[in-house]
Amino acid sequence: EAGVAQSPRYKIIEKRQSVAFWCNPISGHATLYWYQQILGQGPKLLIQFQNNGVVDDSQLPKDRFSAERLKGVDSTLKIQPAKLEDSAVYLCASSLEGAFVDTQYFGPGTRLTVL
Amino acid sequence: AQSVTQLGSHVSVSEGALVLLRCNYSSSVPPYLFWYVQYPNQGLQLLLKYTSAATLVKGINGFEAEFKKSETSFHLTKPSAHMSDAAEYFCAVKANSKLTFGKGITLSVRP
Repeated sequence: EAGVAQSPRYKIIEKRQSVAFWCNPISGHATLYWYQQILGQGPKLLIQFQNNGVVDDSQLPKDRFSAERLKGVDSTLKIQPAKLEDSAVYLCASSLEGAFVDTQYFGPGTRLTVL
Repeated sequence: AQSVTQLGSHVSVSEGALVLLRCNYSSSVPPYLFWYVQYPNQGLQLLLKYTSAATLVKGINGFEAEFKKSETSFHLTKPSAHMSDAAEYFCAVKANSKLTFGKGITLSVRP
């Protein structure tokens, strides 16, 4: 079974530029999550999708971050404009239905450096 | 609200020694608890999870954890460390549908 795919793996940009990350979840998984992992901290949930609808985006900085999941499969996360504090690893995860007992499976992440 | 506390940021053990990584949680409702491992430049991989069945949970790679409600703890143990166990370990709590992670502990294994 193929795992969660993410691209690119690494990205370096200047502050105020824009950047986009892509995620393809495990086939058949209805729920998709985007996490931000700052160095030395645990992952923090940014947004959760159930199929192509948003379940939770309470911690997404909506003035600069946006995410979409067209057709309920793959997803993109965009930052525009980027700030220095956005430097982090962005992890995508998916689970079967988003039920309480579901296991979340994580992709390898995209490491973003903002200069 | 829910939270996870992982005291310390780094644990070092000798190969063959006991591994003990501590995790304490706070939750207003009965929680589900998880341990994830992250190897360098990789995503998180589930080691084990507690979902209100047996309090002693066995996971992959010889790890296990015991849920102690009275102590609000879910410590991770392995009887004998192997070099390949060197990684970062995250404890997480799930209550009210959201998964909340601790800040992680880096495990080093000395030959």
